[in-house]
Amino acid sequence: NAGVTQTPKFQVLKTGQSMTLQCAQDMNHEYMSWYRQDPGMGLRLIHYSVGAGITDQGEVPNGYNVSRSTTEDFPLRLLSAAPSQTSVYFCASSSQAIRNTEAFFGQGTRLTVV
Amino acid sequence: EDKVVQSPLSLVVHEGDTVTLNCSYEVTNFRSLLWYKQEKKAPTFLFMLTSSGIEKKSGRLSSILDKKELFSILNITATQTGDSAIYLCAVEEQGAQKLVFGQGTRLTINP
Repeated sequence: NAGVTQTPKFQVLKTGQSMTLQCAQDMNHEYMSWYRQDPGMGLRLIHYSVGAGITDQGEVPNGYNVSRSTTEDFPLRLLSAAPSQTSVYFCASSSQAIRNTEAFFGQGTRLTVV
Repeated sequence: EDKVVQSPLSLVVHEGDTVTLNCSYEVTNFRSLLWYKQEKKAPTFLFMLTSSGIEKKSGRLSSILDKKELFSILNITATQTGDSAIYLCAVEEQGAQKLVFGQGTRLTINP
């Protein structure tokens, strides 16, 4: 019972490098989202998707791209990493078919940009 | 702009104490308020509240929502060291399909 799987768990990037954080869920959830968590700031929404082919911006979208070609996967791309993107990133999924907004979270990716 | 504010930001108590964590919110069309516990990794779900005045309980944890005054509290009685964590409050707006989180309360239980 995998739930929400994020890879990698840890990553160090140099300024200007690009990378993709992977997120996959096996619960057939329509809704997926990416958050970043910084000390003292809770979780802030980066991008979210309400279904395959549909994405939208959250609170802090700048510097990040997403796509949702399948229900299962929701990758987050950093095109040119900056030190301000050093953070812990969480992917979450939930079902809108049932009136239950509990979001299931992945284990997080700790990203450091030097 | 939707806003969720938690207080206190940090709390240190002794094992056995009772604690109350606060969450106030401002959203345009409220749908639900959720509490999560975050230890070392991913947040784990505690409660979802949609109606005023109805207490949700799970063991030593309980929570209640006041939709008139726009706040929720999370109570933990007879605290244990395993309750040490960051407690997150999040609010969902009708039709918005996204969660707005507060800053979290870092709770430390000393033996």
